[in-house]
Amino acid sequence: KQEVTQIPAALSVPEGENLVLNCSFTDSAIYNLQWFRQDPGKGLTSLLLIQSSQREQTSGRLNASLDKSSGRSTLYIAASQPGDSATYLCAVSRNSGNTPLVFGKGTRLSVIA
Amino acid sequence: DTGVSQNPRHKITKRGQNVTFRCDPISEHNRLYWYRQTLGQGPEFLTYFQNEAQLEKSRLLSDRFSAERPKGSFSTLEIQRTEQGDSAMYLCASSWGTGGTNEKLFFGSGTQLSVL
Repeated sequence: KQEVTQIPAALSVPEGENLVLNCSFTDSAIYNLQWFRQDPGKGLTSLLLIQSSQREQTSGRLNASLDKSSGRSTLYIAASQPGDSATYLCAVSRNSGNTPLVFGKGTRLSVIA
Repeated sequence: DTGVSQNPRHKITKRGQNVTFRCDPISEHNRLYWYRQTLGQGPEFLTYFQNEAQLEKSRLLSDRFSAERPKGSFSTLEIQRTEQGDSAMYLCASSWGTGGTNEKLFFGSGTQLSVL
């Protein structure tokens, strides 16, 4: 059974810092990995999708890397801003490429102005 | 394209009552998913549809839960004889995908269920 773990569970940083969120998964036979953002009481917004054959994806100040063989992914946020405060969730899809996604519990990020 | 819409946003009910939630996906999306999320946890998969066919159901989906997607458009999730343990955020997501594709999911804002 696939299990996804995210470390740390919560993180508080001053504005402007670069930060790294970690995600690990137990079964390396995945089709892709996705990072989502969730604001309190809201649904999820997809940030980045990394296919299993890729090593990283970038969008603006966000960069996600994938090391499939070791079961790890990181989300790098550059020059953090208060608006980045949210919960960040990592999710993996099974090897066939069909969802459902298996999610981690998330990292709750607070960026202090 | 107005995104994925879920109604109601909040539902408070008494234990033992039946509740029904509705999800309207993005119009061109063929896949629709239901997830459940409790406080401090990631979303847990419940079921998904490709067009009108329900392709997979989680073991979390007891006999009290039923989902439909008539005509492959909107979907409803019904919970019969609600229990306090059913209290959660119910999230709907949609996507365009076929087998073996890297599909991006679009989530609605969810329905928050409280069972008293």
